[in-house]
Amino acid sequence: GDSVTQMEGPVTLSEEAFLTINCTYTATGYPSLFWYVQYPGEGLQLLLKATKADDKGSNKGFEATYRKETTSFHLEKGSVQVSDSAVYFCALSGTDTGNQFYFGTGTSLTVIP
Amino acid sequence: AAGVIQSPRHLIKEKRETATLKCYPIPRHDTVYWYQQGPGQDPQFLISFYEKMQSDKGSIPDRFSAQQFSDYHSELNMSSLELGDSALYFCASSTSPGGETQYFGPGTRLLVL
Repeated sequence: GDSVTQMEGPVTLSEEAFLTINCTYTATGYPSLFWYVQYPGEGLQLLLKATKADDKGSNKGFEATYRKETTSFHLEKGSVQVSDSAVYFCALSGTDTGNQFYFGTGTSLTVIP
Repeated sequence: AAGVIQSPRHLIKEKRETATLKCYPIPRHDTVYWYQQGPGQDPQFLISFYEKMQSDKGSIPDRFSAQQFSDYHSELNMSSLELGDSALYFCASSTSPGGETQYFGPGTRLLVL
């Protein structure tokens, strides 16, 4: 079945450091891929998405490229800020098996000044 | 912009009681999804509705039921509550099922004592 495997955390970085959170997926069809962010005590917010191979999603300095050959959708940011501290979830949807979202286990990021 | 509205935001119940969670999707969104997020876990898909009909079913217990009404709002009914039902319950909406971006509400935090 469809699934998402996400880099385990927690991740602690200094401000202005480079961030990579790995995400790989298994899917029977051609899914859409998403990154959601969850700030403490809040709901999930869409960060970025890509709907087909080689698409790059970007938002707020974050980027992720849909790599079909490696079945990956790694999240990157060149210079993190304290305000980026949150839990990040990789997700996929829209394959032949249904319309639900499959989430990774989430990666907690803490950015220290 | 209008977002997904969930009520109540917090709910405390005792074992064996019932609870009803409500979700109001973004205007013109006809698809609603329910997710359960346990402490430190990723969201797990429960059930979804498209045009007032159940469209997909995930790991929803038999003690739970849900429906979507003519105004597209949805209610999740939970009976015979157990301690393990304590979680954050998210509702999401989209313009159609299958690969479209899901926009999440802030969640209802349920605590079963």
